[in-house]
Amino acid sequence: DSGVTQTPKHLITATGQRVTLRCSPRSGDLSVYWYQQSLDQGLQFLIQYYNGEERAKGNILERFSAQQFPDLHSELNLSSLELGDSALYFCASSVGSVEKYFGPGTRLTVT
Amino acid sequence: AQSVAQPEDQVNVAEGNPLTVKCTYSVSGNPYLFWYVQYPNRGLQFLLKYITGDNLVKGSYGFEAEFNKSQTSFHLKKPSALVSDSALYFCAVRGSPNDYKLSFGAGTTVTVRA
Repeated sequence: DSGVTQTPKHLITATGQRVTLRCSPRSGDLSVYWYQQSLDQGLQFLIQYYNGEERAKGNILERFSAQQFPDLHSELNLSSLELGDSALYFCASSVGSVEKYFGPGTRLTVT
Repeated sequence: AQSVAQPEDQVNVAEGNPLTVKCTYSVSGNPYLFWYVQYPNRGLQFLLKYITGDNLVKGSYGFEAEFNKSQTSFHLKKPSALVSDSALYFCAVRGSPNDYKLSFGAGTTVTVRA
C-alpha cells in the first residue's frame, strides 16, 4: 500500500458527460501528479500541483482540469468526455523524495 | 526533451533463471532514472532509482539495476526470477532536478514460468 488513495476505483459514463476523480496524497506529501494510462498512449503525465498551486503541465487536454485543495487532496475534472478518454487515471504524490508513490488508479470507461 | 525506450514488449524466463529488462534513455544533462512495476489491476510500485553514485543500484524484491552512461542504459536485473515477478515493468526518467515529471517507457511484460 503506497498510502495514496484514489476514488472511485471504477467509473462508467457516457460520452459528453463530466466526471471528477479524487486523490488523497500520502500524509505530508505536498506534490500531487496526475497520469493517464491508455493502451495506445502508454503512461502520460497530465499535470502537477504543489501545495495548492499548479507546478507543471503535460499532455492535458483543455477539457480536463485539476485543482489541489488546502487539505492537499486533489481532483481531476474531465468534461465533454469522448470514447478516447477511456483509460486508467493515476495520481502520485511526493515530498522532497525523488521517487513518486502511485495510487491504485481510477478506471474510466466512456460508452 | 527526455525519453525512455524499452525495446522489448515481452520477456519470458523460467523460474530460477536470471531476468533482465532493458531500458535506454535520452536526456540532456544528468538523468534521474527509475523502475516501477505494475501488477494486474494495481497501481505502479516503486522498485529502485538512480540519481548519482554507484552505478549498481539495489532495490526492492531482490531487483537491481545498472546505470551505464556511455550506453545510456539502465537495465533492470534479478539473479533468480520468481513466478510472482510476472508483471508489467516501466522504466522512467526525470531530466533535471527542477523538472519533476516522469517520462515513462512503453513497458515490458515479464512472464516467469514455473
